[in-house]
Amino acid sequence: GAVVSQHPSWVICKSGTSVKIECRSLDFQATTMFWYRQFPKQSLMLMATSNEGSKATYEQGVEKDKFLINHASLTLSTLTVTSAHPEDSSFYICSAAPGTSGRAPYNEQFFGPGTRLTVL
Amino acid sequence: SQQGEEDPQALSIQEGENATMNCSYKTSINNLQWYRQNSGRGLVHLILIRSNEREKHSGRLRVTLDTSKKSSSLLITASRAADTASYFCVGGSYIPTFGRGTSLIVHP
Repeated sequence: GAVVSQHPSWVICKSGTSVKIECRSLDFQATTMFWYRQFPKQSLMLMATSNEGSKATYEQGVEKDKFLINHASLTLSTLTVTSAHPEDSSFYICSAAPGTSGRAPYNEQFFGPGTRLTVL
Repeated sequence: SQQGEEDPQALSIQEGENATMNCSYKTSINNLQWYRQNSGRGLVHLILIRSNEREKHSGRLRVTLDTSKKSSSLLITASRAADTASYFCVGGSYIPTFGRGTSLIVHP
């Protein structure tokens, strides 16, 4: 159990286009999902916390209008990279914390396999 | 925000040796988790230790947690070449905080 999927697993796009990445919890409900970005040989940087039914909470330095997050259901969160540029090329990973009762300390998060975005 | 720090940043050992990685964090947590990541791949959950636990074992893994020092250690015994990966600690609370990771290379 506790499987998180991401789609697509990799994407190559032209500069200026928008790319949507989906994160799904397959066998559990998750009020909270997290989006991370990871550059080569670096750690994961938390971009935003996605809460079902409310606006995402973005970390300092992350552009809200650039990285649109929608958490429409307890099993799906999407990250849209708008007007992508080569510097947005990165590995994007989501995670989901089981629970349905709003913002609460989570005990464990389950990670998706990641999406590698390459912007030409 | 990055609040965890793993030490060392890189570790190179021979197969069969033990590997010890340390992690320090700054804020209060209700649990701490260790993950591994193979190059260019997603994260794999290894073990979770709760704030009221001091030590936990899982197969060849041994994790300790010292909340007074805000530190944790991960010991991999009898390492294998397949253990080569990056290892991260994550403090769990309302939001996760990742450390930079330790890059482990196990030479066959």
